[in-house]
Amino acid sequence: NAGVTQTPKFRVLKTGQSMTLLCAQDMNHEYMYWYRQDPGMGLRLIHYSVGEGTTAKGEVPDGYNVSRLKKQNFLLGLESAAPSQTSVYFCASSSSGLNIQYFGAGTRLSVL
Amino acid sequence: GDSVTQMEGPVTLSEEAFLTINCTYTATGYPSLFWYVQYPGEGLQLLLKATKADDKGSNKGFEATYRKETTSFHLEKGSVQVSDSAVYFCALSDQKQAGTALIFGKGTTLSVSS
Repeated sequence: NAGVTQTPKFRVLKTGQSMTLLCAQDMNHEYMYWYRQDPGMGLRLIHYSVGEGTTAKGEVPDGYNVSRLKKQNFLLGLESAAPSQTSVYFCASSSSGLNIQYFGAGTRLSVL
Repeated sequence: GDSVTQMEGPVTLSEEAFLTINCTYTATGYPSLFWYVQYPGEGLQLLLKATKADDKGSNKGFEATYRKETTSFHLEKGSVQVSDSAVYFCALSDQKQAGTALIFGKGTTLSVSS
């Protein structure tokens, strides 16, 4: 009964380092999303995907890249991390129709 | 563009008190409305939803009614428990476009003491 799984759960980076966050869903959902959560800001959309091989920019895409090579996986990359990217990152997925989104447990990232 | 505004927190209540968390929205058309809950250290979970005017969503004793005339979707519970302590997010989604992202309010922290 996994749902949406995010790895890693925690990570500390130095400014300029790169990393990839992995999101995997086992519900055969078409749509996947990456959000960031910052204090007092709610959740803001970074990038999303409406199907395998497609991605699109959200509200705050700068400094991030994504890939959806397989339907069940959605990767979020930081090429050169900055302190402003310190945040909690959430992945979500949904099927067509009502757009009920299912969330992973989050990745807490600190950039020093 | 579309937006969601919810009451600022934190909200602090004693066990068995009545809870209201206000949420209003701005949207073109007829969005779907949601309440999500985030318990400490966890991701967001869907609490309840409504897809058209006058629909009432309910779950775990929580209720919210889609009011088109006041563009509101206030969350209520008659008697809160300590286990309800969490952050609550109101959100909307454009029904006409499948796969669109949710637009969230900033969240309201609820703390219930025994």
